[in-house]
Amino acid sequence: GQNIDQPTEMTATEGAIVQINCTYQTSGFNGLFWYQQHAGEAPTFLSYNVLDGLEEKGRFSSFLSRSKGYSYLLLKELQMKDSASYLCAALDSNYQLIWGAGTKLIIKP
Amino acid sequence: GAVVSQHPSWVICKSGTSVKIECRSLDFQATTMFWYRQFPKQSLMLMATSNEGSKATYEQGVEKDKFLINHASLTLSTLTVTSAHPEDSSFYICSARETLTGLAGAPNFDYEQYFGPGTRLTVT
Repeated sequence: GQNIDQPTEMTATEGAIVQINCTYQTSGFNGLFWYQQHAGEAPTFLSYNVLDGLEEKGRFSSFLSRSKGYSYLLLKELQMKDSASYLCAALDSNYQLIWGAGTKLIIKP
Repeated sequence: GAVVSQHPSWVICKSGTSVKIECRSLDFQATTMFWYRQFPKQSLMLMATSNEGSKATYEQGVEKDKFLINHASLTLSTLTVTSAHPEDSSFYICSARETLTGLAGAPNFDYEQYFGPGTRLTVT
């Protein structure tokens, strides 16, 4: 079956760095997405990786290893507004998104 | 970036009534739209995939006669929750995908779903 695993909850300190891991098993693979979702709001796009390696975009970076079925989202210089759920989603062979349950990130002062 | 709107943002209805939710792509043509449902503290659950001009494809366990989907144009899809019950209370989110074709008509791998702001439905 298809499956996405990511931690349920993480806590980090303002100004610090946090890495959110995601492992996936899908029928075919056409890329890995990370979305941010604040409570009561729809998800917003953060990143898309289809090739191995690190993609950097400001304070956020996303990494992919296709051979390991593994990705991580790295958040630097954490701000209180980064408190949100972070959703990992893999695009399968039918171009359907398979969603993880999300990681709730709590930022403490 | 591409913008997707949803209407209404929130709705309260009585049990047994029907509610229609609209999803519009404002500045692009969406050949495919997706309808999701999200219960509190849970992840997105795909309900159905809607392709313009054809019948929607429903996920297993989603009743197509209860959740009617119409994708009559390239910019509008509607979800109608028929005979709503309190257990249908949830956050409904649509997303839209602009299908770009590359060489020889193959899908473009630069792929992204654009999400609407969501509709919170409460059935009393």
